[in-house]
Amino acid sequence: QKEVEQNSGPLSVPEGAIASLNCTYSDRGSQSFFWYRQYSGKSPELIMSIYSNGDKEDGRFTAQLNKASQYVSLLIRDSQPSDSATYLCAVSGSGTYKYIFGTGTRLKVLA
Amino acid sequence: EPEVTQTPSHQVTQMGQEVILRCVPISNHLYFYWYRQILGQKVEFLVSFYNNEISEKSEIFDDQFSVERPDGSNFTLKIRSTKLEDSAMYFCARGQEQETQYFGPGTRLLVL
Repeated sequence: QKEVEQNSGPLSVPEGAIASLNCTYSDRGSQSFFWYRQYSGKSPELIMSIYSNGDKEDGRFTAQLNKASQYVSLLIRDSQPSDSATYLCAVSGSGTYKYIFGTGTRLKVLA
Repeated sequence: EPEVTQTPSHQVTQMGQEVILRCVPISNHLYFYWYRQILGQKVEFLVSFYNNEISEKSEIFDDQFSVERPDGSNFTLKIRSTKLEDSAMYFCARGQEQETQYFGPGTRLLVL
């Protein structure tokens, strides 16, 4: 059974701080990794994709991938109250394009 | 602007009834996906559809479910005889091979 694990939270950070969200996956053949943001009652909204080991930065967001450790993370710099949402980690690959999602980490940014 | 639109946004139905959920892509893509999310749970893959055929389906996608693209544009998910446990948000997504999948706004289905 291929699994994607996330701490459900809530993770509370003060406004302006760095939020660090983590995700581990069980299928070593996974090739593509995604972070989505989901507000309550809404659909997942893409934040970033990452395909190779290392860091990938996009504005206030940095995704980090370590395939040897089967670990992917998302850093949010200068967190804003509007960043308060559930962050979903999704993994695909190993002969399939379907996503396997984690349960999501709920982030609360305190003003 | 959404990559796909979905109708209806909300659907309430009686147990045992058939429902059809619709997904309309904004532009032409070959890959489409249906996912569902039961309240408070993770997003789960149901089925992928490539070039007008099912390419992969999950254990959830049993004989009660079907997908089709009846007019070459709209992409539908049909649940033949709904159960209480089918109550969930249903998301359509479009993608292209290993490219990122973009999700529609979803249909909230409530089975009574």
